[in-house]
Amino acid sequence: GENVEQHPSTLSVQEGDSAVIKCTYSDSASNYFPWYKQELGKRPQLIIDIRSNVGEKKDQRIAVTLNKTAKHFSLHITETQPEDSAVYFCAATYYGNNRLAFGKGNQVVVIP
Amino acid sequence: DAMVIQNPRYQVTQFGKPVTLSCSQTLNHNVMYWYQQKSSQAPKLLFHYYDKDFNNEADTPDNFQSRRPNTSFCFLDIRSPGLGDAAMYLCATSGGTSGYNEQFFGPGTRLTVL
Repeated sequence: GENVEQHPSTLSVQEGDSAVIKCTYSDSASNYFPWYKQELGKRPQLIIDIRSNVGEKKDQRIAVTLNKTAKHFSLHITETQPEDSAVYFCAATYYGNNRLAFGKGNQVVVIP
Repeated sequence: DAMVIQNPRYQVTQFGKPVTLSCSQTLNHNVMYWYQQKSSQAPKLLFHYYDKDFNNEADTPDNFQSRRPNTSFCFLDIRSPGLGDAAMYLCATSGGTSGYNEQFFGPGTRLTVL
């Protein structure tokens, strides 16, 4: 089955700087890659996703890039703010599959 | 607003005393999931329903059971909770028309086992 690895496990950034989280996946059949943000004590919430027919997708301060050849995808957060502090999970699956393979999560701390 | 609702938000039970957690959804999604999440870990899939079809994960203990009486509701039954079952239990749904697995999570039920 699919195996998703996520690095680094913890990332501290100064407010206003950029944060980048990278995930790798193993199954070349995977073609859908969502990112979830989970604040302390709250539910995971989908913040952005990308399908394999595009290499990059942006939504205001967040963007995701996908390299199918290398089987990795990354989340980019620009101009970080304290409210970006959370755990971020990447995941992978393929069209029609009901299961998501999650990475282990990345704790992002934005230092004011 | 369409949403995923979980009740109760906090549940305390005694070691070995059966407990039921509930989930309801107004999204009319055909897939419903139960995840277990422990501190500092990713959600771990226990099982999911595609409509009425039940799909158990190979490593889900027999202690965990589920029921889905209709499209809107899904229940998680823990027959004999142990201390290791203390966790956050997340319900999620998916089933948008795109065919891609965008999952929507409920707020979770935090289970404490005494």
